[in-house]
Amino acid sequence: GAVVSQHPSRVICKSGTSVKIECRSLDFQATTMFWYRQFPKQSLMLMATSNEGSKATYEQGVEKDKFLINHASLTLSTLTVTSAHPEDSSFYICSARDAGTSLYEQFFGPGTRLTVL
Amino acid sequence: AQSVSQHNHHVILSEAASLELGCNYSYGGTVNLFWYVQYPGQHLQLLLKYFSGDPLVKGIKGFEAEFIKSKFSFNLRKPSVQWSDTAEYFCAVNGGKLIFGQGTTLQVKP
Repeated sequence: GAVVSQHPSRVICKSGTSVKIECRSLDFQATTMFWYRQFPKQSLMLMATSNEGSKATYEQGVEKDKFLINHASLTLSTLTVTSAHPEDSSFYICSARDAGTSLYEQFFGPGTRLTVL
Repeated sequence: AQSVSQHNHHVILSEAASLELGCNYSYGGTVNLFWYVQYPGQHLQLLLKYFSGDPLVKGIKGFEAEFIKSKFSFNLRKPSVQWSDTAEYFCAVNGGKLIFGQGTTLQVKP
């Protein structure tokens, strides 16, 4: 149980284009989903927290107009990187919280590697 | 503000050696503590977690961790490492939001 998937696993795009990454909880309802960013050889940095049906809460320094987050259902959250630039190249990881089980434990997706040319 | 510090950035061990990775956190309230592992090319996996109760927590693959409240520490241990334990290890603390330490790269030589 508690499986989280992400799609795509890898994406390469041209500078200036937008990329959408999907995060799905496969066998539970996720009232809260989280988006992290991981640079090579570094730790995970929380970008934003999204609650189903409401606006995402962004961490300090994260541009909400650049990283659009939508959490329209209890099993799906999307992260759209708008007008991507090479410095947006990174590993994006989502996680989901099963409120019915634990408020403190998150289940992580496999990540999406974004390369912006 | 919450913070997590992992003391060892890169650890190299021979197989069968014992492992201890340090983790200290800074947070004034009740915390939930985690250790995650990220094998090369794979996603984050939960090794073990502490919410309450016995401060000595046993996880998967022979790992354990001890929560010492007075030292704000949650060190990870394994008595005998294997080559397959080569991975990146992250300590994380949840005191409202999940904050990760910098990570420790463990390299086990066969």
